[in-house]
Amino acid sequence: QKEVEQDPGPLSVPEGAIVSLNCTYSNSAFQYFMWYRQYSRKGPELLMYTYSSGNKEDGRFTAQVDKSSKYISLFIRDSQPSDSATYLCAMLAGANSKLTFGKGITLSVRP
Amino acid sequence: DTGVSQNPRHKITKRGQNVTFRCDPISEHNRLYWYRQTLGQGPEFLTYFQNEAQLEKSRLLSDRFSAERPKGSFSTLEIQRTEQGDSAMYLCASSLEAGAGELFFGEGSRLTVL
Repeated sequence: QKEVEQDPGPLSVPEGAIVSLNCTYSNSAFQYFMWYRQYSRKGPELLMYTYSSGNKEDGRFTAQVDKSSKYISLFIRDSQPSDSATYLCAMLAGANSKLTFGKGITLSVRP
Repeated sequence: DTGVSQNPRHKITKRGQNVTFRCDPISEHNRLYWYRQTLGQGPEFLTYFQNEAQLEKSRLLSDRFSAERPKGSFSTLEIQRTEQGDSAMYLCASSLEAGAGELFFGEGSRLTVL
């Protein structure tokens, strides 16, 4: 079993839809949870960073962490064509540990 | 600052040749990471440095791979005796020590081994 599992894609939604992206993990040591966005032929860029269980909101994006279930989610409201990208969940056990990524899911938002 | 810079952006080589990639991190970042990404997969950790010290290497990193960060600034990743399975995007990232989860990635160096 991989440490981080991400829902398979690809995912195609119409503009304006609410998107839900999910990851599960097996390593209880993970404390920090991130979502990165990667556009085609570019490096990943940090989108959301959370530490504790609960929700964190930033504009149209909400990151949710449930440590008891080892489950994290990213919600995108009012999705836009510019949100079309690959979304990677990533997790960190501690400040001196490596960042472990999920496989990524490719999202396409149709105008 | 222009961000993390990687060179070359694309390298095509024949099996058995050696290749070297260079990464220039964001100047004030003391941590530098190398990841490998293949099509349809997330980035896979290879190694990371804090200043000039190499603190961790992936068990998956064969002895054909070597990375250096001689003065705690730029880094090089060398792959000796390349194999077709080495074909991938090699991503470099940097961060502050205090922001270990906030990695700033370069655009990557794509390796194609024929």
